[in-house]
This record gives sequence, structure tokens and C-alpha cells, in this order.
Amino acid sequence: NAGVTQTPKFQVLKTGQSMTLQCAQDMNHEYMSWYRQDPGMGLRLIHYSVGAGITDQGEVPNGYNVSRSTTEDFPLRLLSAAPSQTSVYFCASSHPKRGITEAFFGQGTRLTVV
Amino acid sequence: SQQGEEDPQALSIQEGENATMNCSYKTSINNLQWYRQNSGRGLVHLILIRSNEREKHSGRLRVTLDTSKKSSSLLITASRAADTASYFCATDPISGNTPLVFGKGTRLSVIA
Repeated sequence: NAGVTQTPKFQVLKTGQSMTLQCAQDMNHEYMSWYRQDPGMGLRLIHYSVGAGITDQGEVPNGYNVSRSTTEDFPLRLLSAAPSQTSVYFCASSHPKRGITEAFFGQGTRLTVV
Repeated sequence: SQQGEEDPQALSIQEGENATMNCSYKTSINNLQWYRQNSGRGLVHLILIRSNEREKHSGRLRVTLDTSKKSSSLLITASRAADTASYFCATDPISGNTPLVFGKGTRLSVIA
């Protein structure tokens, strides 16, 4: 099992560009989430999904879109990149209904917006 | 913000000493978890303590939970240089169907 896979690992965008951060998990987990990590701020929740076809906003959703068409994939779209979105992005999955409440994390995507 | 708070923000100790990190949170929880993050890497789950437990051990890790004070502590005994990392607490809210809420983390440096 690969666990949670995020691509790309690094990305540089110009202000105003759009892009999609990919996240895939092969553990058949129901829950998937996107967090961003900034110095001194810990991890803040952007969007999450409790199952295919269901998404909801977290603490800092503005400027990001998500969709969950399959159990495995949960892409994060930046609509028009801004320097304030420079951060490290982490995707995580879990499956509380099977007693798996701990989160499994990808290795992160380091995004710089110039 | 629902974020918890870890204390201290940074901790530097000598190899062999014990390291204690504290976490405070705001809402009622099902469980509290601790994670470790090595520089530039994803978070790795260390230990989970349920709301009806007061103390839990795993190897050199000891976690306590006080739900009346909404606080937890993580003790790493006989620390090693390899324990150098950031440590985060995360709460599983009792409200249900919501992801874990993470604190801001404690940066631990263990000096050989």
C-alpha cells in the first residue's frame, strides 16, 4: 500500500495562475482532508470530505475548491493563486466508522506563489 | 478558531533528559491524539487517548488527559537526538463528522 500520495511535491506559481494539487489514498478511507501549514500557525483545515460526493468547508476555505468524485481521490484546486497561499499543503485520510480515527498524511506539497 | 495550543512553542534539551509538552483545547472531544513531524515531512501518528482514559503509555511515550481542564501532556522519556521533531496534538471533536483539529505544535530539539 502506498498510503496517501500527494503530487506535486514542489510548485511555484505566478499570482493569478490556477492549479490543482492531487491527493490519492489506497486504503479505502472515507474521510479525506486538506490542511495548510504556515510557520507558527500549525495545521489549519481548508476543506474536508466524509465520503464520495460530500465536501464541506474548514477554517480557511477561501480561494480553494474541492470535489470528491471517488473514494480514492480528493484534489484541491487553487482558482487564482495569491502570495498569501504560499504554504505547505497536506492531505490526510481516516476512517472513523472502521475505528480508524487517526489521520494518515501525505508528504506534503510545498507551494510558492510569486 | 478551534485550534488548540501547545506549550511550550519550542523546547531544547540534552540527550537522555525527559521532554514534556502540553496541549490545551477548547471543545468536548472523543479522543486526543499526538503526532510527530520531522522537518519537511508529513505528520505521523504517535498515540491516541480516549476521553474516558486518564493516562496511556507507548514505549517511551506517556500521555495524560484531563478533560475537566481540557488539557493533555506528552512526556518523552530518555530522549534521543532522533526525537528532534515538531509535535502536535489533535482533537477529535465530539460534534462528529468533522476532521481532527490540530494545535500549533512544539518544536523539540534534542542535543547529543
